[in-house]
Amino acid sequence: NAGVTQTPKFRILKIGQSMTLQCTQDMNHNYMYWYRQDPGMGLKLIYYSVGAGITDKGEVPNGYNVSRSTTEDFPLRLELAAPSQTSVYFCASSPGTSGGGETQYFGPGTRLLVL
Amino acid sequence: QKEVEQDPGPLSVPEGAIVSLNCTYSNSAFQYFMWYRQYSRKGPELLMYTYSSGNKEDGRFTAQVDKSSKYISLFIRDSQPSDSATYLCAMSPSGGSNYKLTFGKGTLLTVNP
Repeated sequence: NAGVTQTPKFRILKIGQSMTLQCTQDMNHNYMYWYRQDPGMGLKLIYYSVGAGITDKGEVPNGYNVSRSTTEDFPLRLELAAPSQTSVYFCASSPGTSGGGETQYFGPGTRLLVL
Repeated sequence: QKEVEQDPGPLSVPEGAIVSLNCTYSNSAFQYFMWYRQYSRKGPELLMYTYSSGNKEDGRFTAQVDKSSKYISLFIRDSQPSDSATYLCAMSPSGGSNYKLTFGKGTLLTVNP
């Protein structure tokens, strides 16, 4: 059981380039999330999904897009990369079935540097 | 006022010390309270989970929730160098949005041998 996996681990982008951050979970979780973490700023929710085909914006969605065609995968697309998108990106998943507080399980993160 | 406030530290203690980490919050709808531990260059991992008010103990770790004061704490007894990490509090409401976590900014803890 690998949990939540993310690729790549690290990437350098030039301003204006695009890329997709990959996220896969093997826990059959319904809910998935993308966060960014800037130094001293905590985790900010970018997008989330409550099931295949259903996505919604979080706190900081501008400059990003997501899709969820399967339960397992939740890629994050950056279009026209900007220096402000330099950050560490975390994907997470949670069961979505408990009816109570959801425990989120995080991937190892992708470090992105936009120059 | 931010929804969740957490002192970023850094906090440096000697090995064996008792550590107290705290968060305050303003949203009275929060019912579920969590502490995540994040080692350097790693993803956060769940450390403690508490529902509503009260205490929960797991080994050297104790989580406390005081909903009347909107204040949560994490205590670490007999701290070890391996406890050196950033500790993030997180909380969510009950009901339809219970999956949306609001995080504190994290407290960086260093335990010195």
